[in-house]
Amino acid sequence: SAVISQKPSRDICQRGTSLTIQCQVDSQVTMMFWYRQQPGQSLTLIATANQGSEATYESGFVIDKFPISRPNLTFSTLTVSNMSPEDSSIYLCSVVPGGSYEQYFGPGTRLTVT
Amino acid sequence: AQSVTQPDIHITVSEGASLELRCNYSYGATPYLFWYVQSPGQGLQLLLKYFSGDTLVQGIKGFEAEFKRSQSSFNLRKPSVHWSDAAEYFCAVFTGTASKLTFGTGTRLQVTL
Repeated sequence: SAVISQKPSRDICQRGTSLTIQCQVDSQVTMMFWYRQQPGQSLTLIATANQGSEATYESGFVIDKFPISRPNLTFSTLTVSNMSPEDSSIYLCSVVPGGSYEQYFGPGTRLTVT
Repeated sequence: AQSVTQPDIHITVSEGASLELRCNYSYGATPYLFWYVQSPGQGLQLLLKYFSGDTLVQGIKGFEAEFKRSQSSFNLRKPSVHWSDAAEYFCAVFTGTASKLTFGTGTRLQVTL
């Protein structure tokens, strides 16, 4: 398994600003992902965070809006840029430890945009 | 493309009663299947998984699930529900080549005392 922490746990932000969310894992992992969970909805994959290279984004998500960094095998950040109320969601990072197909999730960051 | 259907949006059961949450998947090959639980204000916790072998798998908190290839189903069961089981439950399918999870829409479980 893996222990994952996220910062901040929640935030309230003004429209037009940006927020960077951090994800820290207690062990080195190859696969790391970022998800969005809109209110009352299921999880939608935003992107795969690739260590040392550009993230791989899913359809409907773009780098300008959700830039992702992955400087090493235990850490990643997701930035939500130029926020609007529609970005109000829970953002979760997840990892797949090496040799496993099990995906573990962080506690999430609850973002409210006013 | 793979997909997951959870036909029940909301289920209410009495404490002590049995529970079954339905999950149907669409995937061309043998899927890797998961059930996660999300308590209010929490992240997702892995309940159990199926990769291969015995089609009845046991998980944490007394949950089990049965993989039925002929029905493309992976239903979650618990013989006796506790009030603390009230949460959102998500079924997910993992496509090994892409290492991505596709989630169902979730089933919200309410437990009455």
